[in-house]
Amino acid sequence: DIQMTQSPSSLSASVGDRVTITCRASQGISNSLAWYQQKPGKAPKLLLYAASRLESGVPSRFSGSGSGTDYTLTISSLQPEDFATYYCQQYYSTPSLTFGGGTKVEIK
Amino acid sequence: EVQLVETGGGLIQPGGSLRLSCAASGFTVSSNYMSWVRQAPGKGLEWVSVIYSGGSTYYADSVKGRFTISRDNSKNTLYLQMNSLRAEDTAVYYCAGVQRVFHYWGQGTLVTVSS
Repeated sequence: DIQMTQSPSSLSASVGDRVTITCRASQGISNSLAWYQQKPGKAPKLLLYAASRLESGVPSRFSGSGSGTDYTLTISSLQPEDFATYYCQQYYSTPSLTFGGGTKVEIK
Repeated sequence: EVQLVETGGGLIQPGGSLRLSCAASGFTVSSNYMSWVRQAPGKGLEWVSVIYSGGSTYYADSVKGRFTISRDNSKNTLYLQMNSLRAEDTAVYYCAGVQRVFHYWGQGTLVTVSS
């Protein structure tokens, strides 16, 4: 199975900050990467897929980039509603899909 | 509007069985990849199982031989039969679809395995 390693596991940031979260795959995944946001007690919500394609309805302050084994989620200007936990997921190696360990974004 | 509604969770003793259901609306379960994903308390997301549109099924090693995914096309409903439950199966179980990228999620149902 492909292992997904997210960093950092948590971070503290202020409203308006630029935030970057990294996800590294144990082998190349050809941009087959999705990012999800999860708030406490709620189901995850898809933000981006194919590494950089924004899901319908997701604000443009969220963006994704990367290639090969290394991918990044960027929030250009952190908003109060963005404090949550973020997960990456690879879907290159099916049927076994794998998630990163998560990054909790907290208020500084 | 797409909606997924899970039911069937609860408290069950180790070694017991439980069947989860996921009723779908707004799309056809049988035409899509449908998965179960779980989240242990305070932990991350773990893919559990998938059923493809053609009917093929696959499982995470942690549940292989104990869990069975299925669907009822007439009810547009996805199921997860869970047998020989262990304490480490305690989690919120989500159904998710419609492909390998999870555009849609249910609200989740909590399964607690404890004596």
